[in-house]
Amino acid sequence: GAVVSQHPSWVICKSGTSVKIECRSLDFQATTMFWYRQFPKQSLMLMATSNEGSKATYEQGVEKDKFLINHASLTLSTLTVTSAHPEDSSFYICSAGRGEDTEAFFGQGTRLTVV
Amino acid sequence: SQQGEEDPQALSIQEGENATMNCSYKTSINNLQWYRQNSGRGLVHLILIRSNEREKHSGRLRVTLDTSKKSSSLLITASRAADTASYFCATDWLNRDDKIIFGKGTRLHILP
Repeated sequence: GAVVSQHPSWVICKSGTSVKIECRSLDFQATTMFWYRQFPKQSLMLMATSNEGSKATYEQGVEKDKFLINHASLTLSTLTVTSAHPEDSSFYICSAGRGEDTEAFFGQGTRLTVV
Repeated sequence: SQQGEEDPQALSIQEGENATMNCSYKTSINNLQWYRQNSGRGLVHLILIRSNEREKHSGRLRVTLDTSKKSSSLLITASRAADTASYFCATDWLNRDDKIIFGKGTRLHILP
């Protein structure tokens, strides 16, 4: 089966610093990657959709300048949380799709804690 | 590792028929959620059922939960072409209730 690897699985950072989260498709080419955020006891919320080689499409209410998404290759997408604040503490998860296949493959998620 | 396991992995039915998908999980949960993903799109949250609930309805959707069997089912009645998508169940963990674990999904195809 297709595997998506997300790294790191958890990270603690100081307020004001930036954190980069990587999402890699290990054995397939991911034409589309999705980034989600989940606050405690809430559903996963889609943040943005990225297609390889083009700018990400952000959902309403998600700050483009704060959550930088780069999908430079068909196997790697990164999410950078810039100038992180405690309210950015959350669980971030990526998923990857391939071509016309409707099946999505999820990363393990990253627990971000900003102190 | 993924906790939710949807069954079947793929399902094709005629428009107007009912579609039933099942989900099994392994550990105790706070709640179970069903999501839909259309091709090339992000997840759409459909319905959440809590561990103390047995059945829940939302429009054409009916979800059941059997915590003794650690399983859930999603029924879509009077299916439409627009229902063609992948459907995922997702659970949180009782001990770490701020994390959702998704299953691999059921690919549903509605035939005209």
